Amino acid sequence: GESVGLHLPTLSVQEGDNSIINCAYSNSASDYFIWYKQESGKGPQFIIDIRSNMDKRQGQRVTVLLNKTVKHLSLQIAATQPGDSAVYFCAEIYAGNMLTFGGGTRLMVKP
Amino acid sequence: GAVVSQHPSWVICKSGTSVKIECRSLDFQATTMFWYRQFPKQSLMLMATSNEGSKATYEQGVEKDKFLINHASLTLSTLTVTSAHPEDSSFYICSARDQGRNSPLHFGNGTRLTVT
Repeated sequence: GESVGLHLPTLSVQEGDNSIINCAYSNSASDYFIWYKQESGKGPQFIIDIRSNMDKRQGQRVTVLLNKTVKHLSLQIAATQPGDSAVYFCAEIYAGNMLTFGGGTRLMVKP
Repeated sequence: GAVVSQHPSWVICKSGTSVKIECRSLDFQATTMFWYRQFPKQSLMLMATSNEGSKATYEQGVEKDKFLINHASLTLSTLTVTSAHPEDSSFYICSARDQGRNSPLHFGNGTRLTVT
């Protein structure tokens, strides 16, 4: 379901390590999922998307995994850099509507 | 890529006044736009869904008379915070989706509203 007003969990990683950010979604009929990155004081930026007929999609340094059995989505960032520090959140789309769920995760990269 | 422009990026107003925030899709048509509110260190909270040519759909707990939404064209939605109070101070963000059903949401860069 939709998380409203929750304080963000934080993931702290060392520069150069891989990061994994997880998300649970609510609707088993959702057919499209998106990961966004939000830097401080800015609006969210599109990172990568995946459709429900796939279980994995790779981009540049990022990979999204979709597990429909347990309604779970993850974002993997390889060789995490200081510029990756931001809040990451995912979204599911069902029948043309958009839901925001999971409340987001703050990624902090230690130099 | 698709761009959503939000204006102003920040505004300071006195208590009791109204503030209008604009959200424009610059290179695509958006039948649906969304308005969010975000408090510091918290997630985005969906306030309402703005539909071109029809009334907005508000989320539970969001006062429609307080937050007026108008989506008069396929490229512009506005959010007016009426009779603003200090507790309305927040970061307001809009997003828009291409008319295709499964397309990424594109976000504006937000508006920081401070009510004194």
